[in-house]
Amino acid sequence: AQKVTQAQTEISVVEKEDVTLDCVYETRDTTYYLFWYKQPPSGELVFLIRRNSFDEQNEISGRYSWNFQKSTSSFNFTITASQVVDSAVYFCALSGGSNYKLTFGKGTLLTVNP
Amino acid sequence: EAGVVQSPRYKIIEKKQPVAFWCNPISGHNTLYWYLQNLGQGPELLIRYENEEAVDDSQLPKDRFSAERLKGVDSTLKIQPAELGDSAVYLCASSRTSWETQYFGPGTRLLVL
Repeated sequence: AQKVTQAQTEISVVEKEDVTLDCVYETRDTTYYLFWYKQPPSGELVFLIRRNSFDEQNEISGRYSWNFQKSTSSFNFTITASQVVDSAVYFCALSGGSNYKLTFGKGTLLTVNP
Repeated sequence: EAGVVQSPRYKIIEKKQPVAFWCNPISGHNTLYWYLQNLGQGPELLIRYENEEAVDDSQLPKDRFSAERLKGVDSTLKIQPAELGDSAVYLCASSRTSWETQYFGPGTRLLVL
């Protein structure tokens, strides 16, 4: 069975602080994909990144960066110099093997205060 | 490129009434998904379509929920009759193929009174 754990239910930071959202996953598949989605108050899930299990290179996109470590089954997400517009619920998700289905964590509510 | 379109955005009904949600996927996306998102939780898959065929409906409560995707484009999800516990957000997503990234619509927020 697949499982995604986002231990941080809520995080509150002040604008310009860096913040890291944790994601730990469980799967028996050797081939799998990891995702991060952002859900702002409007409700739409916005795709941020997709990573396959064979690519452990960290990725940076502007203020966003992702750290994938297979040894610890983690796929953490860091926002550098946070902004108020980053306030949202962030979901980590997993799909793998013969199962196309996305398994989501419970999400982390990030609040960035001015 | 237009995103996934869903309507209505909000719906309030009384229990035992029927309700329907509509989804138009991204053009060219053959795979369509319906997800249920309860408050404080991540989305959970209800049904997946490959073109017009429902290839996985194992999580769909078939006693009251039904779905269709005529002509392999738009899809409708129906609940009849609705129960109080059906209050949630219903999300539609689409992808070019099953193994590609899923893109989500804004969802329909349902409140059953």
